[in-house]
This record gives sequence, C-alpha cells and structure tokens, in this order.
Amino acid sequence: GDSVIQMQGQVTLSENDFLFINCTYSTTGYPTLFWYVQYSGEGPQLLLQVTTANNKGSSRGFEATYDKGTTSFHLQKTSVQEIDSAVYYCAMRVSGSWQLIFGSGTQLTVMP
Amino acid sequence: EAAVTQSPRNKVTVTGGNVTLSCRQTNSHNYMYWYRQDTGHGLRLIHYSYGAGNLQIGDVPDGYKATRTTQEDFFLLLELASPSQTSLYFCASSAPGYQDTQYFGPGTRLLVL
Repeated sequence: GDSVIQMQGQVTLSENDFLFINCTYSTTGYPTLFWYVQYSGEGPQLLLQVTTANNKGSSRGFEATYDKGTTSFHLQKTSVQEIDSAVYYCAMRVSGSWQLIFGSGTQLTVMP
Repeated sequence: EAAVTQSPRNKVTVTGGNVTLSCRQTNSHNYMYWYRQDTGHGLRLIHYSYGAGNLQIGDVPDGYKATRTTQEDFFLLLELASPSQTSLYFCASSAPGYQDTQYFGPGTRLLVL
C-alpha cells in the first residue's frame, strides 16, 4: 500500500546551521507531497506543498524539493533559527484520495 | 482564517470509561478528520467524514466510533476506553478539492488510567 517513511526522529542544530530532512514515499498513484510543521502545544499546520509537476516549493525560508527517481522529497533551510524548533511532518496525498498519509515526524531543536 | 476548535483540551478517564471528544469547524469545510498522534507513529487517521451523517473508516478505527451531526460538528467516541488509547487526538477539516489544505485543531490530550 501507500506509505511515507521519515527516518530522522530527532535533529539538533545550532542557529544559522543548515537543515535537511528527508522522506521517502511509495505509491502506485500520482502523489502530491506536503510538509507540515507543529509547534509546541499546537496542531500541525501546512508549511509547504510540492506537486510532482513543479518539483519544488518554498515558504518562510524553507524549500522543499522532490526527486521522482528516488521517490524522495526533502525539506531544507539554509540558516535555521531558534523559532524554527518544532516537529516537521512529511505527508503524501495520492490522486483520487482525500487521505493524507503522514511520516512519523522529525523533532527539530535549534540551540541559540 | 480557518478555525477548528476541540474540547476538552485535556481528559483523564479510567479503563472501561466512556469518553466523547468534540470538534467544531467554522470553515464551511465538507471534510473532517480524527487523528491520533503517538511518538514514533506520527499522525494516524482514525475516522473521517465528508458531510453530515457520513462516516468513513480510517487506518486505526478499532475501539473508536465517530459521528458527524452537522457540517460543523464531528465527535469521537470511546465507549470502553483502554490504556492503549492514551494519546493526543487531533481533529482537522478541509474543503473537497484535491489540493486543499487540512486545518488542524489544537488537540485533546487523553489519559486512560
């Protein structure tokens, strides 16, 4: 069945470090890929959406890219700040379905 | 701005207890969802609905019932709560377009003793 794998459970960085989070997906359909962010005490909120047509999305200094060859998609930011500390989820929706399939989440901690 | 609210925000019950979690959205969205969030598992879909009176089964439905009474209101029912249902529960809503964002509520933390 359809699945999303997010291997990095925890990432700790210092301010101004480079962030890279990777997810892999598996589906026989046409996926739309998402990154959601969850700040402490809140529900998840959409950060970025990447379609297989445009391969790339950006928001709030974050950039998401997609690689069809390796069925992977990535979230990166050149210079993280302490306020970026949160849990980041990758997610996938397959065409014809309204269901979002989430990865297991990456807890990002940015030290001042 | 999309608005999804949940109540209660925290709940403690005992094994075998009866619990109802409430969700209301004021976005005029057709779709509503119930997820549970557990460390190492991320967000897992319990039930969802695409309109009043409709209910669809998600990926982890066992032990849960749900009811959508109106466009705005979606309830999750645990009729015989068990410790394995201790979790953080999120409700979300979305419009029916295939690219539409899901908007999440703030969550309900449930502890089953």
